[in-house]
Amino acid sequence: DIQMTQSPASLSASLGETVTIQCRASEDIYSGLAWYQQKPGKSPQLLIYGASSLQDGVPSRFSGSGSGTQYSLKISSMQTEDEGVYFCQQGLKYPWTFGGGTKLELK
Amino acid sequence: EVQLVESGGGLVQPGRSLKLSCAASGFTFSNYYMAWVRQAPKKGLEWVATISTSGSRTYYPDSVKGRFTISRDNAKSSLYLQMNSLKSEDTATYYCARLNWEQHYYFDYWGQGVMVTVSS
Repeated sequence: DIQMTQSPASLSASLGETVTIQCRASEDIYSGLAWYQQKPGKSPQLLIYGASSLQDGVPSRFSGSGSGTQYSLKISSMQTEDEGVYFCQQGLKYPWTFGGGTKLELK
Repeated sequence: EVQLVESGGGLVQPGRSLKLSCAASGFTFSNYYMAWVRQAPKKGLEWVATISTSGSRTYYPDSVKGRFTISRDNAKSSLYLQMNSLKSEDTATYYCARLNWEQHYYFDYWGQGVMVTVSS
């Protein structure tokens, strides 16, 4: 199985700050990576797919990058509504797997 | 507007069965692969099952293979998850999700989730 490792497990950021979350795959996933945001008590919502494609309706301050085994999600200017838990997911090989999550809080 | 609404959750004893349903609307259900994803309390996400558009192909991780069965009724725009021989570790919120494809599969819409508690 492909293991997905996220870092950090948690972080806090100030309003307007740039935030970066990392996701590492145990083998090359050829950009087959998605990012999700989950707010407390809610279901996950898709932010990024194909490592860097922005889902319709997602604010442009979110961006994804990476290749091979290393990927990142960047929030260019932290907003209050960006608090939540972020998960990466590889959809290239079964079983599809998720990272453990990164909890983002407002400082 | 895409909507996915799960039902059928609840408290069940270990070893018993439960069937979840997901009613889909706002898109042509028969054109999409569908999936179930679960999340144990305060834990991360785990993919549980996937079904092809016609229902002829299904996929499961080892943790549920042989115990869970995913199915669909395209005429009713409905997705199902039959869960047998339930264990305490199956306790989780179960999400119905629509799958999309661009170089890889990803979950582009999720339901609100339904809670399943396995306990005596």
